[in-house]
Amino acid sequence: DGGITQSPKYLFRKEGQNVTLSCEQNLNHDAMYWYRQDPGQGLRLIYYSQIVNDFQKGDIAEGYSVSREKKESFPLTVTSAQKNPTAFYLCASSISGGYNEQFFGPGTRLTVL
Amino acid sequence: AQSVAQPEDQVNVAEGNPLTVKCTYSVSGNPYLFWYVQYPNRGLQFLLKYITGDNLVKGSYGFEAEFNKSQTSFHLKKPSALVSDSALYFCAVRDESGNTPLVFGKGTRLSVIA
Repeated sequence: DGGITQSPKYLFRKEGQNVTLSCEQNLNHDAMYWYRQDPGQGLRLIYYSQIVNDFQKGDIAEGYSVSREKKESFPLTVTSAQKNPTAFYLCASSISGGYNEQFFGPGTRLTVL
Repeated sequence: AQSVAQPEDQVNVAEGNPLTVKCTYSVSGNPYLFWYVQYPNRGLQFLLKYITGDNLVKGSYGFEAEFNKSQTSFHLKKPSALVSDSALYFCAVRDESGNTPLVFGKGTRLSVIA
C-alpha cells in the first residue's frame, strides 16, 4: 500500500525541548516538503528537499531543522528556538518539477505544554 | 513571487444547490493550478489540476474547476452539493518552471446544510 506516513499522530512537548516528527514515503518521489498549518493561515512552507542530501528553507524555517539522508525519509526537528510551535504539521511528497501534484501525509498535531 | 487568494473564509450552501469556491492567483508566466480538500484532522487530498488545454477541468467527487486567464481565476464548482462535501478547500499554484513547491491559499471552509 503506497503512501506517506507521519508519526506520531499527536505529540506533546514541554517548553525548551526539541522534538522530531517523522515522515516516510514509499512512492519513490524525489521531492518532499514540510508545511505548518494554523487556523486561518492556510499552509506555510517550512522546508523542502528536491533530492537526497539537499534541502532548502521555506517561508518560516526559523526554529526548525531537517535532514534528507534517504530518499524515502524527511524528518523535521522542532527546536526550542521555535517560539510558538503548537500547530498541525503536514508532510508531502511529489515527483520533482512540472505539473505534478503533491501528496500529503495524515499530519502530526504538536502541542506545547 | 507566486500567490493565491481565496477571498471567502466561509461558504454556506444548501444541499442540492450548486456551489462555487473562489480562487485567484498571481504568477509569472503560465500557471499550474490545483485544488485540494481537507477533512478535520486529516491531510490534504488532491481534487484536480489545470496544466494546459481545456479551461474546464474535471476532478474527483464530481468537482470541476474553470480556468480564466484574463481574470486570473480558478474557481472550484460542483453542480449539486452534498452534506459530505463540507470541508476545508485549498487552492494552490506553481509557475510553469515547476521547480518550486506549491503555494497555497488560506483555505475556504465549505458548509453544506441539509
